[in-house]
Amino acid sequence: QSVLTQPPSASGTPGQRVTISCSGGSSNIASNTVNWYQQFPGTAPKLLIYSNNLRPSGVPERFSGSRSDTSGSLAISGLQSEDEAEYYCAAWDDSVNGWVFGGGTKLTVL
Amino acid sequence: EVQLVESGGGLGQPGGSLRLSCSASGFPLENYAMHWVRQAPGKGLEWVSGITWDSGRTAYADSVKGRFTISRDNAKNSLYLQMNSLRREDTALYYCVQDRGSGWFTAFDDWGQGTLVTVSS
Repeated sequence: QSVLTQPPSASGTPGQRVTISCSGGSSNIASNTVNWYQQFPGTAPKLLIYSNNLRPSGVPERFSGSRSDTSGSLAISGLQSEDEAEYYCAAWDDSVNGWVFGGGTKLTVL
Repeated sequence: EVQLVESGGGLGQPGGSLRLSCSASGFPLENYAMHWVRQAPGKGLEWVSGITWDSGRTAYADSVKGRFTISRDNAKNSLYLQMNSLRREDTALYYCVQDRGSGWFTAFDDWGQGTLVTVSS
């Protein structure tokens, strides 16, 4: 059981806009920033969004993040087939004094 | 180019010990906090431990607290994880991860390819 809750799956068609939610609580998302990671099968995760809505260099503008109260959200616009991957959210949790992850969302491009 | 290369994984006995190492290159290790993150086969990501640039502060997941110890040697560009009292549930791919910040923890920026730890008798 993950501290942060994500839907196990999401899907969309090419060109569509898809959002993935990440639900937390007062000790994590409400008081600390949310980061998002993308992982393809058999490879290491990659930082996609940090500090709620910032993109590391090289990450396309199609990827955006937001945070509201105890929830974070990852949006992917202009969906492409190469976006098919697992997506994880993470945040620092003040009550456990450590990082917590969501369980991951498998994105399928139909 | 940032390179993080983990080593030291393998088969460990329940109750036994293993020591993971991570060799860093392509960036000044002393400028960044570092972490270990693990992923059990077919499962999600789990943060294990983190250490600030100067080893002044460390943090551990409850699941490993008191059993694992993180350390670093900036002069050797290396990060370590001493794993004691191994349990079967420690079986996972262990990633060495560079933080975006130095003094505290910001985000998991660059990742190694991981070293596999299997705990079994």
